[in-house]
Amino acid sequence: DTAVSQTPKYLVTQMGNDKSIKCEQNLGHDTMYWYKQDSKKFLKIMFSYNNKELIINETVPNRFSPKSPDKAHLNLHINSLELGDSAVYFCASSPTVSGNTIYFGEGSWLTVV
Amino acid sequence: GDSVTQMEGPVTLSEEAFLTINCTYTATGYPSLFWYVQYPGEGLQLLLKATKADDKGSNKGFEATYRKETTSFHLEKGSVQVSDSAVYFCALKTGANSKLTFGKGITLSVRP
Repeated sequence: DTAVSQTPKYLVTQMGNDKSIKCEQNLGHDTMYWYKQDSKKFLKIMFSYNNKELIINETVPNRFSPKSPDKAHLNLHINSLELGDSAVYFCASSPTVSGNTIYFGEGSWLTVV
Repeated sequence: GDSVTQMEGPVTLSEEAFLTINCTYTATGYPSLFWYVQYPGEGLQLLLKATKADDKGSNKGFEATYRKETTSFHLEKGSVQVSDSAVYFCALKTGANSKLTFGKGITLSVRP
């Protein structure tokens, strides 16, 4: 079983649409993350949740809204998609906030046309 | 703030060549250091890590030693294979701060 799973893996959508990416971890971890990888492969954190509570929000447009219904799930909703939102979005989890190892999902390739 | 600097890429090597990918960092406190690998079309995988000075992380023939005096965590492999072709990311994590700070990544291509 995949430890951190994201859906969909690929998503092509038009500008202005609203879309969601779902993430689930079956590791029993307390902390979950969303990272964005741009076209130059640069990785940057977007959000972090610990036990369903938001703990990191890194200067992300408010069109991006994470939601954590329980500590095993962290979904990412994006409103009014723009061309610049095209990227790979990685979900990740770690045992605790200070846990040393962060485990990543396989990524969701979003293309906005 | 925390930052990670990786050598500029891409890097192209012949099979069985020796590999070194440089990584240096600046951080407040005492970070844990990581190398992640991303194979073509795939997600990020943890390759190895070290949590304190002089620790050596190793996995799949790759090694990196945490050097506090030079604030470095260089990745090495004695004999690369075509299957090692991937993007390699150096990263750090400090104290109770939950986020990983990544370097820009470097693309390694290994020729048969």
